[in-house]
Amino acid sequence: AQTVTQSQPEMSVQEAETVTLSCTYDTSESDYYLFWYKQPPSRQMILVIRQEAYKQQNATENRFSVNFQKAAKSFSLKISDSQLGDAAMYFCAVLQGAQKLVFGQGTRLTINP
Amino acid sequence: NAGVTQTPKFRVLKTGQSMTLLCAQDMNHEYMYWYRQDPGMGLRLIHYSVGEGTTAKGEVPDGYNVSRLKKQNFLLGLESAAPSQTSVYFCASSYSGRDRVGRGYTFGSGTRLTVV
Repeated sequence: AQTVTQSQPEMSVQEAETVTLSCTYDTSESDYYLFWYKQPPSRQMILVIRQEAYKQQNATENRFSVNFQKAAKSFSLKISDSQLGDAAMYFCAVLQGAQKLVFGQGTRLTINP
Repeated sequence: NAGVTQTPKFRVLKTGQSMTLLCAQDMNHEYMYWYRQDPGMGLRLIHYSVGEGTTAKGEVPDGYNVSRLKKQNFLLGLESAAPSQTSVYFCASSYSGRDRVGRGYTFGSGTRLTVV
């Protein structure tokens, strides 16, 4: 079975600092995709960044970047220059096979002004 | 605005009552999904559909039924609600194939259901 683990239930960071959220996963497939979603208090699920497993280069979207370690099955999210608007729940997710997007438990990120 | 619309947004049910959650999308997506979100457990897949008239079970299907009579709508039914079904329910939709990755999933804003 495919599993996704986020070992940090809560994280906090000072505004303008950098924070890294951890994610590990388990899959038997060689072709899969990885995502980070943000869920602010509005409950809306917002796609932050995606990574194709066959690409070695780490994905980057403005202040958000990932550290993808395929052999270790690790997919961490780095947020640089943290802003108050980054406060949210963050979910790591793995897409494998025809339909299944599997989520981790989530990490609640607090930004301290 | 294009997107996924869920109704209702909030609902309180008594144990044993039934209800239907409606999900509608106007993006011509082939695939639709129902997830539930519980504290400390992330989002778990209840049922999904890969096209009009088709449905399949996800990770936690017990106690729920679904129907996809029209491509744009995906209904989630609770026949006899239980307190364990208290949760936030999310509907999502996506394109099929490689577009599913490139364009991602689109989520609704969720339905908070409380069963007392």
